[in-house]
Parts: sequence; C-alpha cells; structure tokens
Amino acid sequence: KQEVTQIPAALSVPEGENLVLNCSFTDSAIYNLQWFRQDPGKGLTSLLLIQSSQREQTSGRLNASLDKSSGRSTLYIAASQPGDSATYLCAVKGSGSARQLTFGSGTQLTVLP
Amino acid sequence: DVKVTQSSRYLVKRTGEKVFLECVQDMDHENMFWYRQDPGLGLRLIYFSYDVKMKEKGDIPEGYSVSREKKERFSLILESASTNQTSMYLCASSFFLGNTIYFGEGSWLTVV
Repeated sequence: KQEVTQIPAALSVPEGENLVLNCSFTDSAIYNLQWFRQDPGKGLTSLLLIQSSQREQTSGRLNASLDKSSGRSTLYIAASQPGDSATYLCAVKGSGSARQLTFGSGTQLTVLP
Repeated sequence: DVKVTQSSRYLVKRTGEKVFLECVQDMDHENMFWYRQDPGLGLRLIYFSYDVKMKEKGDIPEGYSVSREKKERFSLILESASTNQTSMYLCASSFFLGNTIYFGEGSWLTVV
C-alpha cells in the first residue's frame, strides 16, 4: 500500500527566503504527483501536477521536481512571501488500475514578515 | 476556471439525523470524489464516482452513501449521523483519472 510522508510537519522562514518542501512515497510505480495548497478552513488548491515521465514542473515562483526511482518530490518556493503561508500537501496517483490519490499529511508553512 | 461548489459550509446536526451534503461542478468532469479531513489523519477517501449512477467505495465508506443522478452533482449522505462523523468534508472533481483534481471549499459538519 502506498504511503506518502511529508517532513517537516511545520516550517517557519523569514520573508524573502527560498525554501524546499519535501514529499516521499514508498511505491515508485506512480502515474503522477500533485502539489496542493490549503489555507486554514478552506479546500485544497492544485498548484502543480507532475507526470511520472517528467522531472519537473514550474509555475511562477514554484518549481516541483520528481525523482521516481528514489520515491521523492520537492516543491521549491522562491522568494517566499507572507501570503505563501499555508499548508502544502502532496498526493500521489498510482499507476495501473489504482484510482485513488494517496495524500501526505502536509507541511504547515509560515512565512514571517 | 473550474468551480466545485459545496452548498453548505457549516452544519450542525443531531445524532441520528439524516444528513445530505451537496456538491456541484461546472466543468463536465467525469469523476467526482468525497473526502473527509481530520487532524492527524489527513484526507481519506469516502466514495468516488466515475460516471452518472456509478460509484466505488473508498477507504472509509461505512456510515455513508452517495448519489450521482446527474453528471454535475454528487451528494454524500449520512444515513444516521454520529458524533464520530464530525469532520471537514471535501468534494472534488477531475476530468480524467490522473488529471488535475479540483476541490470545493469544504463543509464543516458538527454532530452533537
């Protein structure tokens, strides 16, 4: 059974810093991986989707990388801003007939002004 | 922009009541999902539907049922609400399985 881990559970950084959020998964037979943002009390917003054949995806100040063989993905946030404060979750979709996403428990990011 | 709308943001229900949570998406997506999110347990899939009137159980279907009579609408039903069903419920949709998945704003349900 796929397991997805995000460490650390919480992270505080000063504004302007570049930072990396980590996501690891146990079964490398994945179809894709998505990164989401969740603000307190709200739903999830999709940030980036990276297919298993891709190494990275970029959107603005965000860059997601994927290393299937090692079971790892990172989300790089450049020049962090207080508005980036949120919980960031990754989710893995299995290959084959697996229909479900397996979510990590998230990293709560606080960017201090 | 894709919009997934959950009709109720906050509900308080009594134990034993039948509860309906409604979700509508406006992008003709094939797949719709219901998750619950609890501190320390993350997101867990309750049910999903890959077509009208089609459904599959997720990880925690006990105590829940679903209805998808129209493509755009997916309802979660708590047949007899219990206090352990107090949670944040999230509806989501996607065009194909493996496409970007879009979430609603969530419904906070408290069962007293």
